[in-house]
Amino acid sequence: NAGVTQTPKFQVLKTGQSMTLQCAQDMNHEYMSWYRQDPGMGLRLIHYSVGAGITDQGEVPNGYNVSRSTTEDFPLRLLSAAPSQTSVYFCASSYRGLPPAYFGPGTRLTVT
Amino acid sequence: AQSVTQPDIHITVSEGASLELRCNYSYGATPYLFWYVQSPGQGLQLLLKYFSGDTLVQGIKGFEAEFKRSQSSFNLRKPSVHWSDAAEYFCAVGALTGTASKLTFGTGTRLQVTL
Repeated sequence: NAGVTQTPKFQVLKTGQSMTLQCAQDMNHEYMSWYRQDPGMGLRLIHYSVGAGITDQGEVPNGYNVSRSTTEDFPLRLLSAAPSQTSVYFCASSYRGLPPAYFGPGTRLTVT
Repeated sequence: AQSVTQPDIHITVSEGASLELRCNYSYGATPYLFWYVQSPGQGLQLLLKYFSGDTLVQGIKGFEAEFKRSQSSFNLRKPSVHWSDAAEYFCAVGALTGTASKLTFGTGTRLQVTL
């Protein structure tokens, strides 16, 4: 099993650009989520999904979109990047009803 | 609203010494509590979790945590620290509904181990 994979590892965007952060897992987990990690603030939940076709907002959803067309993939889209979205982004997965046990290696995003 | 406080931003211990990392939470119902570890440049790894029952929880890598409802605490302990334990540790509290896990994380404690 590859576990949870994320691409790219690093990305630099200009303000206003859009991009998609990819996340995939091969463990057949129903639950997937996206977090952002900022210095001194811990991890904050952006969006999550409990299965294909079902998504919901977390604590800090503004400026981000998600979709879940398959069990394996959960991409995060930045519609119009802003400097405030400079962060490290982590994708996580787990079986339904369990805490996130598997985290991807992260994507470090810089918006200039 | 639920919240987690990790009062120590940075802790240094000698290899072989004991370790205790503090975590205090605020939660309106019976909490589900977790500890995660993050090595440099890596994602988070779940160390242990408390759902109910025995208040002393054993985890991986020789870690344990004790849930104290009266003190709203869930401190992480290890009897003898190894150099490889140097990492950042996050406490989290949250609800596990039938369909979702929504966790609130603390700001983390960075552990440095001296030889």
